Amino acid sequence: QLQLQESGPGLVKPSETLSLTCTVSGGSISSSSYYWGWIRQPPGKGLEWIGTIYYSGSTHYNPSLKSRVTISLDTSKNQFSLRLSSVTAADTAVYYCARVRGNFRVDYWGQGTLVTVSS
Amino acid sequence: NFMLTQPHSVSESPGKTVTISCTRSSGSIASNYVQWYQQRPGSSPTTVIYEDDQRPSGVPDRFSGSIDSSSNSASLTISGLRTEDEADYYCQSYDSSNRLFGGGTKLTVL
Repeated sequence: QLQLQESGPGLVKPSETLSLTCTVSGGSISSSSYYWGWIRQPPGKGLEWIGTIYYSGSTHYNPSLKSRVTISLDTSKNQFSLRLSSVTAADTAVYYCARVRGNFRVDYWGQGTLVTVSS
Repeated sequence: NFMLTQPHSVSESPGKTVTISCTRSSGSIASNYVQWYQQRPGSSPTTVIYEDDQRPSGVPDRFSGSIDSSSNSASLTISGLRTEDEADYYCQSYDSSNRLFGGGTKLTVL
């Protein structure tokens, strides 16, 4: 059974960079069948697509976040990561990592991790 | 860019049928598949419908999806409502540049 687990700091200061890692177990991120992605949800609000990465390293980012987002792979550790720079309070959210199939269907989600941006 | 618009909330009684709409603002709803996710409080979302009208294994056949090109919208219909269906529901679709969720609909079963 595939499992995804987010990890990283729960508190980030304004203007700094948010960094999260997703560890995948029960499957390989080197598979050509899937994308790996990040989705966030501000407290009490809806879901927002952040971006995806393919096993080849090819990325696609939400245009509204593109200038601040980097998603990368570490195949040796079966992990992928999110970096979001110049954060503000508006970036406070639960961040989910996910496996994404063709047609951008999310079929596995991590449990989510709350990141708060505050000084 | 396009948007997906859902009603903020819907409510219905147990045993009844409810339909949640998802209207695409531009571009054809039929051009790109629509997914529907259920999110219960404190939990990660789960898929209830994918590729417009397909049910993942384990999702009861009380859940169905459809698209309507005339209104440029997708719909999630839940029949035989149960209290356990009370949750937030999100539609999701995409185009060549964007992958988007609708704003979500809170379903209350009362």
